[in-house]
Formats: sequence, structure tokens, C-alpha cells
Amino acid sequence: DGGITQSPKYLFRKEGQNVTLSCEQNLNHDAMYWYRQDPGQGLRLIYYSQIVNDFQKGDIAEGYSVSREKKESFPLTVTSAQKNPTAFYLCASTRTGWTEAFFGQGTRLTVV
Amino acid sequence: AQTVTQSQPEMSVQEAETVTLSCTYDTSESDYYLFWYKQPPSRQMILVIRQEAYKQQNATENRFSVNFQKAAKSFSLKISDSQLGDAAMYFCAYRSPLNGGSQGNLIFGKGTKLSVKP
Repeated sequence: DGGITQSPKYLFRKEGQNVTLSCEQNLNHDAMYWYRQDPGQGLRLIYYSQIVNDFQKGDIAEGYSVSREKKESFPLTVTSAQKNPTAFYLCASTRTGWTEAFFGQGTRLTVV
Repeated sequence: AQTVTQSQPEMSVQEAETVTLSCTYDTSESDYYLFWYKQPPSRQMILVIRQEAYKQQNATENRFSVNFQKAAKSFSLKISDSQLGDAAMYFCAYRSPLNGGSQGNLIFGKGTKLSVKP
């Protein structure tokens, strides 16, 4: 079955450490996105990528980095520069001319 | 910049009854898409219904329908015959047209938590 896979489901990080969240899709979608979800805040866009080897900052990119070396993969690194990284992270993808975004099941990141 | 506002942080409905969730948005564009997404406790985002701005007819998907008022920039979701499985967070979202340099990103409201009472 086609879909988006995020891993791990739960992730714990010590303060000062970088951590990478995985997002893989087999839908042959061109565009991929990372959103952050906090209670009462809805979803906020971190980074997005329309094509391989290209990506753009979203509304809250500070403290995050991404890469898009393959069409199927769009990993997100939460760096130590992110002041408040504890949140739920959602990855999404869309095809060209899209009318629906498909989401992964999310990763819950907790800083301990 | 476009914004999406959901003014009801929480709503409650009795099973089998009807409930309406509100959403307003602000945009200067004329051609866009609007969506309602459902996020149950599993936190998987599920598309409930979508509306193309150029269509005057309100979208309907089984028990879910929208009241799209383009001039008023309003996009409410009506759930009829509410079921226990409808309990979830509901997000209203806006997508710009895919032209003129716009990437067509989704802009979300802050969500409405819907509870369904048996």
C-alpha cells in the first residue's frame, strides 16, 4: 500500500543533542512538507520541498534543517539551536497540481 | 498573508445530533482550495472534505457538508447524525492557487476539539 512512513513514533532527546526524524513516501509525490503541532497552535510549516535537492523555509524554520537527496525521503533534523523542540511533528506529501495532502502518522519528540 | 481562524476551541454534540464547526479565512486571492481535516486520538490527519473556491455548490461527503460563503470568507463544517467516532480535533485549512510563484502550502487554523456524548 502507498503511503507516508514516519519513524520513530516516539523520540527522546537530551538537551544539546541533534536528532533526525525520518519521513519516507512511496506515493511518487513531488512535494514534501514538515509541520510542527503544539497544543492550541494548529499545524505550523517548518520546511517544504517541491523537487529533489531543493527546499524552502516555512514559517518556523529556525533551529531545524532538512535535506532532499531522494524523491522518496525528506528527513528533518532538530538541532540544539531549537529552543523548544518538544512537540508533535507531521510529515506530508503532495503530487503536482494537488488537491489533497497526505500525512504520516507523526513523531512525538520529547526533550529530557 | 493568508490566515485561517477557528473561533471555537471546543464543541460538544449529542450522538445522532447535528453540529456545525466554524472557520473564517482572510485572503486577497480569488482561486483557492479549502479543506477540513480530522485528527482523531491516533493523531493521523484525515481529509474530511474539500471545496474549490470557484465552485458555488457546497461540497458534501456523506454526513459531512460545508457552508461555503466566499464573499464572507466563511467555511463551516456541518456534521449530521453525529457518531462517537466523530470525536476528534478538526482543522480548517487553506491552500493558495498553484501559480504566480505560490507553492500551494496549507495554512491551518488552530483547531476545534469535538466531543460526542452518548
